[in-house]
Amino acid sequence: NAGVTQTPKFQVLKTGQSMTLQCAQDMNHNSMYWYRQDPGMGLRLIYYSASEGTSDKGEVPNGYNVSRLNKREFSLRLESAAPSQTAVSFCASSPPGQNYGYTFGSGTRLTVV
Amino acid sequence: RKEVEQDPGPFNVPEGATVAFNCTYSNSASQSFFWYRQDCRKEPKLLMSVYSSGNEDGRFTAQLNRASQYISLLIRDSKLSDSATYLCVSRMDSSYKLIFGSGTRLLVRP
Repeated sequence: NAGVTQTPKFQVLKTGQSMTLQCAQDMNHNSMYWYRQDPGMGLRLIYYSASEGTSDKGEVPNGYNVSRLNKREFSLRLESAAPSQTAVSFCASSPPGQNYGYTFGSGTRLTVV
Repeated sequence: RKEVEQDPGPFNVPEGATVAFNCTYSNSASQSFFWYRQDCRKEPKLLMSVYSSGNEDGRFTAQLNRASQYISLLIRDSKLSDSATYLCVSRMDSSYKLIFGSGTRLLVRP
């Protein structure tokens, strides 16, 4: 049972480069999320998607875009990487309902130099 | 002010000790609450949900005080394997989004 799978696990980018982080879940969850975690800080929501084909901005969306092409996959794109985007990015998914938490992927450690 | 606030710790306790963490939330509209555990350089994992009446899962007990807007986690008979960061989490009634605290670090020593 894979749960939530993220790729890549590590990435180093130069300032201005672009890349896409991939996320897929096999639990038939409706909602998917991208969070970032900076050292010593809590997780902050970048974008989320309540269902296929939809997305909404979270707390820290600047510099990111997302795509939810189907129920399983939710990708995060950095159009022009900046050092401020150096962080660990986590993808997560959840079933409908208030009482369910998230299942997280293992994270992508992104460094922008 | 952060929506969910926690003491960052670290709490350094011996094996077998009982340790308690508190967390406060600022938005009275928050309806659901959780504790997550995060090991170093790993993803957060759901430890337990927090119910209004309080709930227990083995050595772990969670309590919710809506009047004072705080949540607690009690760990009894601490094990070395309990060493981790514990994240307090809230969810608004109308949203699926979770709001995470910055975490409380626990170190259990032999």
